[in-house]
Amino acid sequence: DTGVSQNPRHKITKRGQNVTFRCDPISEHNRLYWYRQTLGQGPEFLTYFQNEAQLEKSRLLSDRFSAERPKGSFSTLEIQRTEQGDSAMYLCASSLLDEAFFGQGTRLTVV
Amino acid sequence: AQSVTQLDSHVSVSEGTPVLLRCNYSSSYSPSLFWYVQHPNKGLQLLLKYTSAATLVKGINGFEAEFKKSETSFHLTKPSAHMSDAAEYFCVGGGSYIPTFGRGTSLIVHP
Repeated sequence: DTGVSQNPRHKITKRGQNVTFRCDPISEHNRLYWYRQTLGQGPEFLTYFQNEAQLEKSRLLSDRFSAERPKGSFSTLEIQRTEQGDSAMYLCASSLLDEAFFGQGTRLTVV
Repeated sequence: AQSVTQLDSHVSVSEGTPVLLRCNYSSSYSPSLFWYVQHPNKGLQLLLKYTSAATLVKGINGFEAEFKKSETSFHLTKPSAHMSDAAEYFCVGGGSYIPTFGRGTSLIVHP
């Protein structure tokens, strides 16, 4: 499968714990995006990388959130000291030109 | 950034009748616009995209959309709904390399 891959698919964590998600984009894609989607809402932009450079971050991305894309390949999104409000689907997408390809997402539940 | 507004949160149709999902955009320059579909527990799939080549865009599964600059609209249509079309549909603006989602329209198809 050559699509965007996200791991894990599901994560249940206790409030206050740290979690990390991984995204493997389509190999030749230089742009990578993270979004958050809650029930009944459209995906909300979190952050964007072009190659290894993080070019934009949403104001939604509090200081508990950090994302990296070392070497411009895979990316990780870490949430520190999770809160119940962080429960959501976290989506990764990659693109080369104008069309973004999305992964299946990681569903986070904070209990 | 390109912003889009989906005018209906829910659209309900009978199987075999036409589908119309409405989207308006706001941009001071020539936009890139997309429609994505999200089936329950599935990833986002691109239906079609407009990138200024033609105002009537044909997509997958019989969907099409017409770009109307005078109305700043990019409505999604299908002549005849199938039960399998029941899903969440997102109009997406692609300016500044960051896809920006509308709130989504839930399409309900009755037998």
